[in-house]
Amino acid sequence: SQQGEEDPQALSIQEGENATMNCSYKTSINNLQWYRQNSGRGLVHLILIRSNEREKHSGRLRVTLDTSKKSSSLLITASRAADTASYFCATRSAGNMLTFGGGTRLMVKP
Amino acid sequence: DTGVTQSPTHLIKTRGQQVTLRCSPISGHKSVSWYQQVLGQGPQFIFQYYEKEERGRGNFPDRFSARQFPNYSSELNVNALLLGDSALYLCASSYGGETQYFGPGTRLLVL
Repeated sequence: SQQGEEDPQALSIQEGENATMNCSYKTSINNLQWYRQNSGRGLVHLILIRSNEREKHSGRLRVTLDTSKKSSSLLITASRAADTASYFCATRSAGNMLTFGGGTRLMVKP
Repeated sequence: DTGVTQSPTHLIKTRGQQVTLRCSPISGHKSVSWYQQVLGQGPQFIFQYYEKEERGRGNFPDRFSARQFPNYSSELNVNALLLGDSALYLCASSYGGETQYFGPGTRLLVL
């Protein structure tokens, strides 16, 4: 079963615009991670935010975490065509197992 | 550094057959995890191994089994294949920390 739910399921924007994806989860977590997947291939780790952190930045990525609402958001600023991919949030609770959401499919039009 | 490698990249099997998928972790990584990703969904956890011992198992039937070798490579075995086993099988390795590094996956089609 999936712990997280991403919203929206699909997003289409123009190059240069910002893209925001949201993730909700159900149980307590140690950390939340965001991954990118191109064309059904392997996942690439983007950013990790721990349960005691509220915001984190990495390049054009900004992640927020609200543990009281059990939700997170991923913002990609100044999007590029190369950002076209599926984005997944994954939560880590006890152990090292990751529980993924269903993903947001982002299309960035040139 | 070489990333996580998986073999084969693609595989076609028929119902009832058995399949073995292989994974080599990043050098120095002692933990390997396996995930199943059905088309259009997020990955689902199958197994985690650390230092050759099973550390976690997801909600999958006993037809699924795995093992880890002394060199930390791993195999995932699926017996009595069903049509619903068609998926991308992903292997991930980690040093023991929080970030998992994924391989390119093995795409399995069961006919």
